This record gives sequence, C-alpha cells and structure tokens, in this order.
Amino acid sequence: EPEVTQTPSHQVTQMGQEVILRCVPISNHLYFYWYRQILGQKVEFLVSFYNNEISEKSEIFDDQFSVERPDGSNFTLKIRSTKLEDSAMYFCASSLDRASRYNEQFFGPGTRLTVL
Amino acid sequence: RKEVEQDPGPFNVPEGATVAFNCTYSNSASQSFFWYRQDCRKEPKLLMSVYSSGNEDGRFTAQLNRASQYISLLIRDSKLSDSATYLCVVNAANSGNTPLVFGKGTRLSVIA
Repeated sequence: EPEVTQTPSHQVTQMGQEVILRCVPISNHLYFYWYRQILGQKVEFLVSFYNNEISEKSEIFDDQFSVERPDGSNFTLKIRSTKLEDSAMYFCASSLDRASRYNEQFFGPGTRLTVL
Repeated sequence: RKEVEQDPGPFNVPEGATVAFNCTYSNSASQSFFWYRQDCRKEPKLLMSVYSSGNEDGRFTAQLNRASQYISLLIRDSKLSDSATYLCVVNAANSGNTPLVFGKGTRLSVIA
C-alpha cells in the first residue's frame, strides 16, 4: 500500500538554527500539506501546496517557514531560525486531486522536532 | 473559538463494550467529515469518512447531522486494539486542497 514517508524521524537542533524536514508524498497525489502537533495539543494546519505553489497557509506559517518541491518526489518544510516553541511533531500529508470528493488526506509518520 | 469540539476523555471501557463519541463543529460551510485514529506519538490514520446518510464499517458506525452540526462515532464490541485517541476532523469544501481542522481528540482505553 503506498504511503507518505518522512525523514528524519527525530531532529534535535539549537535555537536559531535552520532545519529542513523532508517528505515523500504518495506518488500520484497532487496536493501536499504540512501540519504540526505540539505535545498534548491538537493537530494544526500549517500550509497546503498545489501545482508548485502555496494554496493556503495558517497564521502559524510566518516568514520563518517555507516549503518547496525541489524535484518530482520530495516536499520540504524549512524553518529558518528555530524557536523553542517550534518543538512539535511535524506531519506531512498528501491527497488526490479535486476529483476526490472526500479529500482523504494521508499522513506520514511525522518528524519530531526538538529545539534546545 | 473552538472549531471542532469533542467529548472530553478518557473513556475507559471493558472489552466487548459499546462506546460512542460525539463531536460538534462550528463552520456550517463544512462539507467533508472524518474520523481519524491516532496512537500515542504516531500519525493520524483515517478510520472512516462520514457520509450524510451515515455509514458503517464493521464494528464502526458514523453518523452526521448537518442541521445540528454534529458527528458521532459508535464502536461496538470494543477490542483492546481499539485503544487510541479518536480525532473528529472536518474540512470546509470538497476541493482537494482545503486544510483539515482537527478536534483535540477523545482518548479511549479498552480494558481486559
């Protein structure tokens, strides 16, 4: 069964450092997303991406965040200068195109980011 | 403003019990509804989509009441493996790139 993959599974970084989280969405999917979940809290939307551009972003996704699809398979989230409050689990998700009425999004296993 | 609100947990039930979870959502424009399951420190996994007419998948039954903006999930004959957090999830439209809005989840513990 095709699945979303993410690397690394755990990233530890110092405050102020840049991190890049990587995702490989399901191969025939066209819509890509990043969500985050702070420990003990709900899953929150960060950004959606379609046709090589951002479709929508939340207020969390400020100027320190960026996304990129550098090639035909990878989808990355960059945090330019990490803060302590960026510590969270970051989930990548993908979905089929708009013909999918129920817009089922499939999630990767997540990257746990710890900012020290 | 809580967009998706769920029963507070945890629910501790014996094996074989029937348990029901409720959820309300605030955005009346919401078009798609889902239940996801999340195990501890794992990703959310789609359990089932919720259709207007209600739908059943084995021991799981989901209902939607658009007028009341209410979604429910019923689990019959609970198994130990059903222990997890159940997330009520909505999105605003049927198009392919609308973000999902998650509830905080209800934790279920099935006890032997």
